[in-house]
Amino acid sequence: DVKVTQSSRYLVKRTGEKVFLECVQDMDHENMFWYRQDPGLGLRLIYFSYDVKMKEKGDIPEGYSVSREKKERFSLILESASTNQTSMYLCASSPAGGGKNIQYFGAGTRLSVL
Amino acid sequence: QKEVEQNSGPLSVPEGAIASLNCTYSDRGSQSFFWYRQYSGKSPELIMFIYSNGDKEDGRFTAQLNKASQYVSLLIRDSQPSDSATYLCAVNRIYNQGGKLIFGQGTELSVKP
Repeated sequence: DVKVTQSSRYLVKRTGEKVFLECVQDMDHENMFWYRQDPGLGLRLIYFSYDVKMKEKGDIPEGYSVSREKKERFSLILESASTNQTSMYLCASSPAGGGKNIQYFGAGTRLSVL
Repeated sequence: QKEVEQNSGPLSVPEGAIASLNCTYSDRGSQSFFWYRQYSGKSPELIMFIYSNGDKEDGRFTAQLNKASQYVSLLIRDSQPSDSATYLCAVNRIYNQGGKLIFGQGTELSVKP
């Protein structure tokens, strides 16, 4: 079974803190993704990566950065957390192969920024 | 126009009925289509994918694709209360070496006992 593991299910941080969300997959997938999900707005892509040390901006990259030093690990970084970054964050991975690759999701991290 | 559109619902059906969930997309070049189910507070899980025009059946689930009409649907036969969830339609957009999914807003399904 594909396993995508996110380091925390729930996280509470203060405004201005630097926040790291970690994601690890065990299926040797090339592609990894970070989304946030908010009521009424659906799933929105923040950043994605097709290879180690490679990253691409998604639809809402502002206020976020990412790191992919190893193939299995993709980290999302909130440089200075703000209250409008309170959300559910979802990591996903998929194999390479263009159009037919299925994305598998982690359990999600619910982040609250106070 | 949104790239992937779904009715937000809620769609309410009685137990044992057929639930029909619909999705339209705007990019004619799209080739891969996915249905994810998401229970409240949980992450999305894949239930069906379809690449070719026509129907694809898997147990109580049938995905239907009509590329000419840019329309994909999910039918759930013999609906159960455990099917109550939000169903997300996703369309793959090819990008460089890989692809990324464009999600609809999701349709909330409620199956009443």
